[in-house]
This record gives sequence, structure tokens and C-alpha cells, in this order.
Amino acid sequence: DQQVKQNSPSLSVQEGRISILNCDYTNSMFDYFLWYKKYPAEGPTFLISISSIKDKNEDGRFTVFLNKSAKHLSLHIVPSQPGDSAVYFCAAFNAGGTSYGKLTFGQGTILTVHP
Amino acid sequence: DSGVTQTPKHLITATGQRVTLRCSPRSGDLSVYWYQQSLDQGLQFLIQYYNGEERAKGNILERFSAQQFPDLHSELNLSSLELGDSALYFCASSVGAAESNEKLFFGSGTQLSVL
Repeated sequence: DQQVKQNSPSLSVQEGRISILNCDYTNSMFDYFLWYKKYPAEGPTFLISISSIKDKNEDGRFTVFLNKSAKHLSLHIVPSQPGDSAVYFCAAFNAGGTSYGKLTFGQGTILTVHP
Repeated sequence: DSGVTQTPKHLITATGQRVTLRCSPRSGDLSVYWYQQSLDQGLQFLIQYYNGEERAKGNILERFSAQQFPDLHSELNLSSLELGDSALYFCASSVGAAESNEKLFFGSGTQLSVL
């Protein structure tokens, strides 16, 4: 049962353009969402997060949008840079439950930004 | 560098064998998490330890076990290995028990190949 899904395995974008990565979830108990970025031979690193009480969170070039009714979130990167090329994982968490930090991850989307 | 150290980086072994993966968390972090990433899969949560005690459990097989020692390093033991256990195993750490919105800091992983 894949509770967090990233349906696009890969995305290719031109430098300077917007990258939009999508994520869907099925568990309505999730109330906190995160994006992690992973470079080859490295572990995932935290990028940005959003609580379910918000619908948008912005940090520099990165913005995460949450649509709770659709159980959908997206990560926007503007403008995209070649250094953004990495695997992006969406993750969800039930902060109000007893999961104690048990993150549920999507399968990841490989972003390639071309110069 | 996340500050989380995992050893070894690569491990090649045969079916039926037993291996131990080691993780040293960031200085000051009390929680250690283990995740498994199989081919084409997102990271799957295995288990969390907080200050030496098991805190949360995911879909961890009975052949797998973990512990966290008084110096807070953790070991993941995998026994009676099967081909399907081949995966990238990540360790992560956080300051507290992650009841709130704590970031996880991931190590670079141990690539296990079972032949």
C-alpha cells in the first residue's frame, strides 16, 4: 500500500525555468509534509516542509504547496539551476500520532536541469 | 556532511549470512532511525531508537534486529539474508524523539548486495 506516491519518475527542465514536482498521498492522518533532496552517493537532505494548517510555504527558490482536499502537494523550484539536479523525495508524517518521526516516503523523482 | 556516519559503505555477502550495519548519529542527537531503500522504492521506515530504547517500528522483518548503545551509536543486524534484502540502508538521526517537526539528518547509506 503506497501511501505517498510520486507518479513522475523523472523530470527534465531547462535552466532558469520552473520545476514542478508532484506528490499525492492517501492517508488523511498525515499532517506534516517534507521534501528531501538526494545527490548520488549521499543521504537525503531536508529541503522544505509544510504543516497541514498551511497551504503554502516558501524558502528562497523553493515553494511547497499543499492541497488537502485533493491530498496533493507540489514543490516548485524557480528558477531552476543545474545544481538542483538530484532525486527529490516527498515524505509525510503524522505529527499528532504515535509514529514518533516515522516518515513515509514516496518513490522519488529524478530532476535534471539542463544548462 | 550531515554528521551521521554509516559503516561500511558497501557490503557484499551471500545468502544465508548475517551482517551488521553501524551508525553513529550526529553529536547530541538522541534518536536513530533505520530506513531501507530497495530498487525503485522510496525509503521504507524500519525502526527508531530514542536514547537506547525502541521507539517506533515499521515493516521490519523478524530476521532483522537493531539496538542503540549507551554511546548512542546504533547497529542494524540482518540475518539469514535473502537476495531480496539487497538494498541501500540509511541511518538518520534527530535531536529528540521527533514528536514535533524535527528534521532527520541522514547518513550516506550502506549498500548491501546479497549474492
